[in-house]
Amino acid sequence: SQQGEEDPQALSIQEGENATMNCSYKTSINNLQWYRQNSGRGLVHLILIRSNEREKHSGRLRVTLDTSKKSSSLLITASRAADTASYFCATASSGGSYIPTFGRGTSLIVHP
Amino acid sequence: ETGVTQSPTHLIKTRGQQVTLRCSSQSGHNTVSWYQQALGQGPQFIFQYYREEENGRGNFPPRFSGLQFPNYSSELNVNALELDDSALYLCASSHGLAGDVGELFFGEGSRLTVL
Repeated sequence: SQQGEEDPQALSIQEGENATMNCSYKTSINNLQWYRQNSGRGLVHLILIRSNEREKHSGRLRVTLDTSKKSSSLLITASRAADTASYFCATASSGGSYIPTFGRGTSLIVHP
Repeated sequence: ETGVTQSPTHLIKTRGQQVTLRCSSQSGHNTVSWYQQALGQGPQFIFQYYREEENGRGNFPPRFSGLQFPNYSSELNVNALELDDSALYLCASSHGLAGDVGELFFGEGSRLTVL
């Protein structure tokens, strides 16, 4: 079973536009992480936000966390064709073995 | 480059056979996690090893087994292969328990096809 679920499943935008992906989860978490995966490759860590944080930035990435709604969003600003990839959120439940559990991902296509 | 290497990169097996996949952790990492990713799906947690001991297991049958060695490299073994075992198998290393201390460093995966 998957703890986090990303929305939308697929997103198609033009270069220069912003891309927003959302993640909802079910149980209390210790932290939430976002990863990127180019087709058929390994996952690359993008950003981690802890349960006591509300927002984090890294370059063109902005992540928010709302623990009351059990949701997170990933915003990529000024998107580039090279941002085309699948994006996954991973949650580590609090009070457990802290094992990151992944959602099904959002497939992002950025058209040049 | 994460420093995590997996082998083999691709392999084809037939139903009923056995397979061993290998993973070398990033230097300094003592935790290895294995995930199965079917086409179009997210990675599914198989199990995690911390300092050579299994530390958590996902919803996978006992024919999925693993080992972690003193140098923290790891193996994933799958017996009695089934068609549904066809997937990308991902190994990830971390220092300490990943969900507690932070990010996972993934290898490029082993693509298994079962015919």
